[in-house]
Amino acid sequence: DIQMTQSPSSLSASVGDRVTITCQASQDISNYLNWYQQKLGKAPKVLIHDASNLETGVPSRFSGGGSGTHFTLTITSLQPEDFAIYYCQHYEKGRPSLTFGGGTRVET
Amino acid sequence: EVQLVESGGGLVQPGGSLRLSCVASGFTFSSRAMTWVRQAPGKGLEWISSLGRNGDDTYYADSVRGRFTISRDNSKNTLYLQMNSLIAEDTAIYFCAKDTWWVTSWGQGTLVTVSS
Repeated sequence: DIQMTQSPSSLSASVGDRVTITCQASQDISNYLNWYQQKLGKAPKVLIHDASNLETGVPSRFSGGGSGTHFTLTITSLQPEDFAIYYCQHYEKGRPSLTFGGGTRVET
Repeated sequence: EVQLVESGGGLVQPGGSLRLSCVASGFTFSSRAMTWVRQAPGKGLEWISSLGRNGDDTYYADSVRGRFTISRDNSKNTLYLQMNSLIAEDTAIYFCAKDTWWVTSWGQGTLVTVSS
Protein backbone atom coordinates (compact mmCIF):
# COMPACT_ATOMS: atom_id res chain seq x y z
CA ASP A 1 0.00 0.00 0.00
CA ILE A 2 1.12 3.54 -0.74
CA GLN A 3 1.97 5.65 2.29
CA MET A 4 1.71 9.44 2.38
CA THR A 5 4.03 11.27 4.75
CA GLN A 6 3.54 14.93 5.51
CA SER A 7 6.08 17.26 7.02
CA PRO A 8 6.24 19.04 9.26
CA SER A 9 3.47 17.74 11.49
CA SER A 10 3.06 21.26 12.82
CA LEU A 11 4.56 24.66 12.22
CA SER A 12 4.37 28.06 13.78
CA ALA A 13 3.94 31.04 11.47
CA SER A 14 2.79 34.63 11.42
CA VAL A 15 0.42 36.55 9.21
CA GLY A 16 2.24 37.45 6.01
CA ASP A 17 4.66 34.52 6.16
CA ARG A 18 5.31 32.20 3.26
CA VAL A 19 4.49 28.64 4.34
CA THR A 20 5.39 25.40 2.58
CA ILE A 21 4.10 21.96 3.51
CA THR A 22 5.56 18.80 2.02
CA CYS A 23 3.92 15.49 1.20
CA GLN A 24 6.01 12.47 0.27
CA ALA A 25 4.58 9.35 -1.37
CA SER A 26 6.15 5.95 -0.77
CA GLN A 27 6.09 5.30 -4.53
CA ASP A 28 5.42 7.17 -7.75
CA ILE A 29 1.85 8.44 -7.79
CA SER A 30 2.12 10.70 -10.83
CA ASN A 31 0.01 13.77 -10.01
CA TYR A 32 -2.80 11.95 -8.19
CA LEU A 33 -2.48 14.17 -5.16
CA ASN A 34 -4.96 16.57 -3.57
CA TRP A 35 -4.78 19.05 -0.71
CA TYR A 36 -7.42 19.89 1.90
CA GLN A 37 -7.78 22.48 4.64
CA GLN A 38 -9.64 21.66 7.85
CA LYS A 39 -10.55 24.23 10.44
CA LEU A 40 -11.38 23.29 14.01
CA GLY A 41 -14.73 21.59 14.29
CA LYS A 42 -15.41 21.78 10.56
CA ALA A 43 -15.35 19.41 7.63
CA PRO A 44 -12.34 19.57 5.35
CA LYS A 45 -12.36 21.67 2.20
CA VAL A 46 -10.52 20.77 -0.97
CA LEU A 47 -7.97 23.37 -2.03
CA ILE A 48 -6.04 21.75 -4.85
CA HIS A 49 -6.59 18.68 -6.99
CA ASP A 50 -4.19 16.77 -9.20
CA ALA A 51 -1.19 18.36 -7.50
CA SER A 52 -1.47 21.86 -8.87
CA ASN A 53 -5.06 22.67 -9.89
CA LEU A 54 -6.64 25.29 -7.68
CA GLU A 55 -10.27 24.64 -6.83
CA THR A 56 -12.77 27.30 -7.80
CA GLY A 57 -13.02 29.98 -5.14
CA VAL A 58 -9.75 29.14 -3.41
CA PRO A 59 -7.50 32.21 -3.04
CA SER A 60 -4.54 32.41 -5.36
CA ARG A 61 -2.11 32.61 -2.43
CA PHE A 62 -2.48 28.81 -2.29
CA SER A 63 -0.51 26.79 -4.78
CA GLY A 64 0.50 23.19 -5.21
CA GLY A 65 3.41 21.59 -6.96
CA GLY A 66 5.30 18.39 -7.50
CA SER A 67 4.81 15.04 -9.16
CA GLY A 68 5.96 11.48 -8.68
CA THR A 69 6.77 11.18 -4.99
CA HIS A 70 7.35 14.73 -3.78
CA PHE A 71 4.64 17.37 -3.48
CA THR A 72 4.28 20.78 -1.89
CA LEU A 73 1.51 23.09 -0.76
CA THR A 74 2.57 26.72 -0.52
CA ILE A 75 0.75 29.64 1.01
CA THR A 76 2.51 32.76 -0.22
CA SER A 77 1.22 35.24 2.36
CA LEU A 78 -0.45 33.61 5.32
CA GLN A 79 -3.76 35.18 6.32
CA PRO A 80 -5.53 34.91 9.70
CA GLU A 81 -8.12 32.55 8.23
CA ASP A 82 -5.40 30.16 7.03
CA PHE A 83 -4.53 28.83 10.48
CA ALA A 84 -5.81 25.28 10.16
CA ILE A 85 -4.75 21.70 9.54
CA TYR A 86 -3.76 20.73 6.02
CA TYR A 87 -3.93 17.22 4.59
CA CYS A 88 -2.60 15.75 1.43
CA GLN A 89 -4.51 12.87 -0.14
CA HIS A 90 -3.61 10.37 -2.82
CA TYR A 91 -6.20 8.60 -4.94
CA GLU A 92 -5.95 5.52 -7.15
CA LYS A 93 -7.77 5.81 -10.44
CA GLY A 94 -8.17 2.10 -10.98
CA ARG A 95 -10.13 1.52 -7.80
CA PRO A 96 -11.46 4.26 -5.54
CA SER A 97 -9.17 4.29 -2.56
CA LEU A 98 -8.07 7.44 -0.81
CA THR A 99 -4.95 7.71 1.33
CA PHE A 100 -4.51 10.76 3.51
CA GLY A 101 -1.32 12.15 4.93
CA GLY A 102 -1.09 12.64 8.66
CA GLY A 103 -1.80 16.36 8.49
CA THR A 104 0.12 19.55 9.15
CA ARG A 105 -1.13 21.98 11.76
CA VAL A 106 -0.39 25.60 10.91
CA GLU A 107 -0.56 27.68 14.07
CA THR A 108 0.45 31.06 15.28
CA GLU B 1 -25.72 24.65 -3.31
CA VAL B 2 -24.53 21.15 -2.49
CA GLN B 3 -25.71 19.88 0.88
CA LEU B 4 -24.91 16.60 2.57
CA VAL B 5 -26.63 15.91 5.88
CA GLU B 6 -25.60 12.89 7.91
CA SER B 7 -27.60 11.26 10.68
CA GLY B 8 -27.67 8.06 12.66
CA GLY B 9 -24.64 8.47 14.86
CA GLY B 10 -24.67 7.87 18.58
CA LEU B 11 -23.39 5.74 21.42
CA VAL B 12 -23.25 1.99 20.80
CA GLN B 13 -21.73 -0.89 22.74
CA PRO B 14 -18.86 -2.91 21.34
CA GLY B 15 -20.21 -5.56 19.01
CA GLY B 16 -23.26 -3.48 18.22
CA SER B 17 -24.54 -2.00 14.97
CA LEU B 18 -25.50 1.39 13.58
CA ARG B 19 -26.72 2.62 10.25
CA LEU B 20 -25.67 6.05 9.10
CA SER B 21 -27.61 7.98 6.50
CA CYS B 22 -26.64 10.94 4.36
CA VAL B 23 -29.26 12.93 2.48
CA ALA B 24 -27.91 14.81 -0.50
CA SER B 25 -29.27 17.86 -2.29
CA GLY B 26 -28.10 20.52 -4.70
CA PHE B 27 -26.72 18.15 -7.31
CA THR B 28 -27.77 15.12 -9.34
CA PHE B 29 -27.10 12.46 -6.72
CA SER B 30 -27.52 9.52 -9.08
CA SER B 31 -24.72 10.75 -11.33
CA ARG B 32 -22.00 10.99 -8.66
CA ALA B 33 -19.94 8.45 -6.79
CA MET B 34 -20.02 8.87 -3.02
CA THR B 35 -17.62 8.26 -0.17
CA TRP B 36 -17.46 7.90 3.61
CA VAL B 37 -14.47 9.30 5.49
CA ARG B 38 -14.01 9.19 9.25
CA GLN B 39 -11.94 11.07 11.78
CA ALA B 40 -11.19 9.70 15.21
CA PRO B 41 -11.10 12.30 18.01
CA GLY B 42 -8.01 14.45 17.61
CA LYS B 43 -6.74 12.33 14.74
CA GLY B 44 -6.42 12.58 10.98
CA LEU B 45 -8.73 11.62 8.14
CA GLU B 46 -9.32 8.01 7.16
CA TRP B 47 -11.09 6.88 4.00
CA ILE B 48 -13.35 3.96 4.73
CA SER B 49 -15.61 3.34 1.75
CA SER B 50 -16.73 4.51 -1.68
CA LEU B 51 -19.62 3.60 -3.94
CA GLY B 52 -20.23 4.00 -7.64
CA ARG B 53 -23.13 5.89 -9.15
CA ASN B 54 -25.45 2.92 -9.50
CA GLY B 55 -24.39 1.22 -6.28
CA ASP B 56 -22.85 -1.82 -7.93
CA ASP B 57 -19.22 -0.92 -7.37
CA THR B 58 -18.23 -0.81 -3.72
CA TYR B 59 -14.82 -0.30 -2.17
CA TYR B 60 -13.67 -0.60 1.44
CA ALA B 61 -10.65 0.09 3.58
CA ASP B 62 -9.13 -3.00 5.13
CA SER B 63 -10.07 -1.69 8.58
CA VAL B 64 -13.80 -2.01 7.88
CA ARG B 65 -14.10 -4.61 5.12
CA GLY B 66 -16.47 -7.38 6.14
CA ARG B 67 -18.05 -5.29 8.90
CA PHE B 68 -19.34 -2.19 7.10
CA THR B 69 -21.61 -2.02 4.04
CA ILE B 70 -22.06 1.05 1.88
CA SER B 71 -25.20 1.46 -0.19
CA ARG B 72 -27.39 4.10 -1.77
CA ASP B 73 -30.97 4.78 -2.74
CA ASN B 74 -30.94 7.12 -5.71
CA SER B 75 -34.71 7.55 -5.52
CA LYS B 76 -34.25 9.09 -2.07
CA ASN B 77 -30.93 10.87 -2.74
CA THR B 78 -29.55 9.02 0.23
CA LEU B 79 -26.26 7.30 1.00
CA TYR B 80 -26.00 4.71 3.76
CA LEU B 81 -23.33 3.07 5.85
CA GLN B 82 -24.34 -0.06 7.74
CA MET B 83 -21.82 -0.66 10.50
CA ASN B 84 -21.74 -4.03 12.26
CA SER B 85 -19.44 -5.61 14.85
CA LEU B 86 -18.36 -2.20 16.03
CA ILE B 87 -15.19 -1.86 18.05
CA ALA B 88 -13.74 0.97 20.11
CA GLU B 89 -11.44 1.92 17.25
CA ASP B 90 -14.50 2.81 15.15
CA THR B 91 -15.19 5.77 17.42
CA ALA B 92 -15.03 8.78 15.12
CA ILE B 93 -16.87 11.49 13.29
CA TYR B 94 -18.17 10.00 10.06
CA PHE B 95 -18.32 12.32 7.07
CA CYS B 96 -20.41 11.73 3.99
CA ALA B 97 -18.60 13.03 0.92
CA LYS B 98 -19.29 13.66 -2.73
CA ASP B 99 -17.07 12.06 -5.36
CA THR B 100 -14.15 9.70 -4.92
CA TRP B 101 -10.91 10.78 -6.53
CA TRP B 102 -11.04 14.00 -4.60
CA VAL B 103 -13.83 15.01 -2.29
CA THR B 104 -15.56 18.10 -3.57
CA SER B 105 -18.16 18.43 -0.84
CA TRP B 106 -18.48 17.16 2.70
CA GLY B 107 -21.27 16.82 5.21
CA GLN B 108 -20.94 18.18 8.71
CA GLY B 109 -20.30 14.71 10.09
CA THR B 110 -22.03 12.48 12.62
CA LEU B 111 -20.32 11.20 15.75
CA VAL B 112 -20.19 7.50 16.46
CA THR B 113 -18.99 6.45 19.90
CA VAL B 114 -18.34 2.80 20.61
CA SER B 115 -18.12 2.22 24.34
CA SER B 116 -19.55 0.06 27.08
